[in-house]
Amino acid sequence: ILNVEQSPQSLHVQEGDSTNFTCSFPSSNFYALHWYRWETAKSPEALFVMTLNGDEKKKGRISATLNTKEGYSYLYIKGSQPEDSATYLCAPRMDSSYKLIFGSGTRLLVRP
Amino acid sequence: NAGVTQTPKFRILKIGQSMTLQCTQDMNHNYMYWYRQDPGMGLKLIYYSVGAGITDKGEVPNGYNVSRSTTEDFPLRLELAAPSQTSVYFCASSWDRGRGNSPLHFGNGTRLTVT
Repeated sequence: ILNVEQSPQSLHVQEGDSTNFTCSFPSSNFYALHWYRWETAKSPEALFVMTLNGDEKKKGRISATLNTKEGYSYLYIKGSQPEDSATYLCAPRMDSSYKLIFGSGTRLLVRP
Repeated sequence: NAGVTQTPKFRILKIGQSMTLQCTQDMNHNYMYWYRQDPGMGLKLIYYSVGAGITDKGEVPNGYNVSRSTTEDFPLRLELAAPSQTSVYFCASSWDRGRGNSPLHFGNGTRLTVT
């Protein structure tokens, strides 16, 4: 069973705050790490897919880093806005099983 | 491109009834997945397929069956519906060369209630 942990489970921040959360996964047999943004009553949407140790990706105010040797990825949001309120999911792809198993997510609420 | 299309959007089933959730994609993606949304638990993988004629179990396959006779379609069948299968079901697809580095495209979901 693949152990994917995301922390914290939920986070309440004020508009304008910067925040970050963590995705932890086994460091062996790593292929890729996916991040998705999931707004209430909508479908998950892909943010980033990262494959190499040290990868950094950025999309507007959201960025992510990857450490495959120690098995974690950070997602950062700079200057949070109410529209950033969503659940952020990570999913590592390990070995050749083709499965994409999601963590439980970090639920972010940004207060105006 | 319509992307990933799921039907129906909503359905209410009685315990013991059966139904098929339809999923079709027009992006010529080889990988397709079925997930269910469990409260507080994110998405759980039910079944997946890496190409026509090939399917495999995910984390929670019991009570479900799938088939992949064409690249476009990946229906999910519930044979004997149980209240524990009340959930929102998402179908997703991706074009993958085997390294897992292509993002998933999700359908809009099917909300199923079993009473």
